[in-house]
Amino acid sequence: QLQLQESGPGLVKPSETLSLTCTVSGGSISSSSYYWGWIRQPPGKGLEWIGSIYYSGSTYYNPSLKSRVTISVDTSKNQFSLKLSSVTAADTAVYYCARAHGYSYGYWGQGTLVTVSS
Amino acid sequence: SYVLTQPPSVSVAPGQTARITCGGNNIGSKSVHWYQQKPGQAPVLVVYDDSDRPSGIPERFSGSNSGNTATLTISRVEAGDEADYYCQVWDSSSDHVEVFGGGTKLTVL
Repeated sequence: QLQLQESGPGLVKPSETLSLTCTVSGGSISSSSYYWGWIRQPPGKGLEWIGSIYYSGSTYYNPSLKSRVTISVDTSKNQFSLKLSSVTAADTAVYYCARAHGYSYGYWGQGTLVTVSS
Repeated sequence: SYVLTQPPSVSVAPGQTARITCGGNNIGSKSVHWYQQKPGQAPVLVVYDDSDRPSGIPERFSGSNSGNTATLTISRVEAGDEADYYCQVWDSSSDHVEVFGGGTKLTVL
């Protein structure tokens, strides 16, 4: 059974960089049949796509976040990561990692709350 | 950028049929996916590619897509269906940009 698990600091200071890692178990991140994404959800609000990465390393980002986002993959560790720079309180959210097939996300991590505060 | 519009809320009595819409410009030309999210939980895919169901999703969940509106239909609604529902598309007019609707809160009366 495929499982995804987000990890990283739960508290980040304003202007700093948010860094999260998603560890994939029960399946290979190198499969060409899938790609991997980050989605976030501010408290009490809806889902927002942050970006996606293929095992080859090709990345695609939400235009509204593109200047601050970097997504990378480490196939040796079966992990992919998110970095979001220059964070503000507006970046406070539950961050989910997920696996996509045919542009729908069939597997999600449990999510991790990241709070931006000094 | 592509925008998906959902009603904030839909209410339905148990046993009745709930219809949740997702509006977008010529959305009928895109593949629409639907997610169910219960409080404190990660979203769950309930319909993909307009009308297909992942394994384990009851047949009560179905989808359609035409023109400027996609619809998630939940038949014989149960109390356990109360949740937020989100539609999602891949905006093929852009270089791989994905968009979620604002979400609809389904209340079972």
